[in-house]
Amino acid sequence: AIRMTQSPSSFSASTGDRVTITCRASQGISSYLAWYQQKPGKAPKLLIYAASTLQSGVPSRFSGSGSGTDFTLTISCLQSEDFASYYCQQYYSYPYSFGQGTKLEIK
Amino acid sequence: EVQLVESGGGVVRPGGSLRLSCAASGFTFDDYGMNWVRQAPGKGLEWVSGINWNGGSTGYADSLKGRFIISRDNAKNSLYLQMHSLRAEDTALYYCARSSSRNYGHCDYWGQGTLVTVSS
Repeated sequence: AIRMTQSPSSFSASTGDRVTITCRASQGISSYLAWYQQKPGKAPKLLIYAASTLQSGVPSRFSGSGSGTDFTLTISCLQSEDFASYYCQQYYSYPYSFGQGTKLEIK
Repeated sequence: EVQLVESGGGVVRPGGSLRLSCAASGFTFDDYGMNWVRQAPGKGLEWVSGINWNGGSTGYADSLKGRFIISRDNAKNSLYLQMHSLRAEDTALYYCARSSSRNYGHCDYWGQGTLVTVSS
């Protein structure tokens, strides 16, 4: 099975900061990577798929990059509504797998 | 509007069985694969199982060790997860999520989840 490793596990930042979260796959997954945002008590929300394609309706301050084994999610200018947990997921092959998550907190 | 509504959760004794359902609406159900994803209290997301558009291809997390079975009924626009030999570590909120294509893909729409509690 493909293992996904995210870093950092948690992070404190301020509104307006630029933040980068990384995700590493244990083997190559091409660009079959998605990023999700989850707020407390809510279902996850798709942000980015195919490593760098922004889901419709997602603000352009979110961006994704990478291919193969190393990927990043960048939030260019943090807004108050961005403080949440973020997960990467590989859908290259079954069994699919998620990273352990990154909790983004207000400094 | 795409809607996914899970049901069937509840409290079950260790070793027991439970069947979850997911009712889909707002899209052509048999044009998409489907998934189950769970989240234990205070923990991260764990992909549980997936199925393609016609049920001909399924996948499971290694951790399940054959205890769960995913299925779908396209005539009823419904997805199911039959769970057997339940353990305390299966306690979680179970989400139904749509795949972005007929066979594989990321999860583009999610339900609100149904809670399964395994406890004596």
